[in-house]
Amino acid sequence: DTAVSQTPKYLVTQMGNDKSIKCEQNLGHDTMYWYKQDSKKFLKIMFSYNNKELIINETVPNRFSPKSPDKAHLNLHINSLELGDSAVYFCASSHSGGGYTEAFFGQGTRLTVV
Amino acid sequence: AQSVTQPDIHITVSEGASLELRCNYSYGATPYLFWYVQSPGQGLQLLLKYFSGDTLVQGIKGFEAEFKRSQSSFNLRKPSVHWSDAAEYFCAVAKRSGGYNKLIFGAGTRLAVHP
Repeated sequence: DTAVSQTPKYLVTQMGNDKSIKCEQNLGHDTMYWYKQDSKKFLKIMFSYNNKELIINETVPNRFSPKSPDKAHLNLHINSLELGDSAVYFCASSHSGGGYTEAFFGQGTRLTVV
Repeated sequence: AQSVTQPDIHITVSEGASLELRCNYSYGATPYLFWYVQSPGQGLQLLLKYFSGDTLVQGIKGFEAEFKRSQSSFNLRKPSVHWSDAAEYFCAVAKRSGGYNKLIFGAGTRLAVHP
């Protein structure tokens, strides 16, 4: 069983479109994250949710809106896509209650904006 | 500010040779440290972690890492590299932010393995 699953794995879209990436974890974790990996492979956190509440919001354009319907799901919606949004987006989860545990990552969604 | 430095962008080794990937961190408190591996087109897989205790930690796939507080380092080692180890390796530190943790990653080291 996949622990952290993202859909879709690949996403090609035109500038100006709106798209969503979905993420689900079956590990029972209480915290979920979105990370962005740029073309140079650099990984940086975008958002984090704990029990459906936003706890970390890095300097990300407000075109990016995460939504957590429950603690097992964290979706990322992107409005008005730009060329610079092309990247690999990783979802991750961890357990934060009672101390930190390691983060488990999904397979990533490669977003290409043309 | 907390940071992670991986000095080697690209390393090439021969299959069967030993490997050491360097990682230096900057963090005020006792760090939580991690090594992740990313195979081509794949997600990130945790190799090993250090939270406390024994400074030499064992991970999956025959990897180990040693935490050295005096040198602010957490280098990854493997005694004998296999061709399947060719991948991108990321060192990371968990930074406390507003009561919660987030991972700060190094820039990664790309490992190539010659037959």
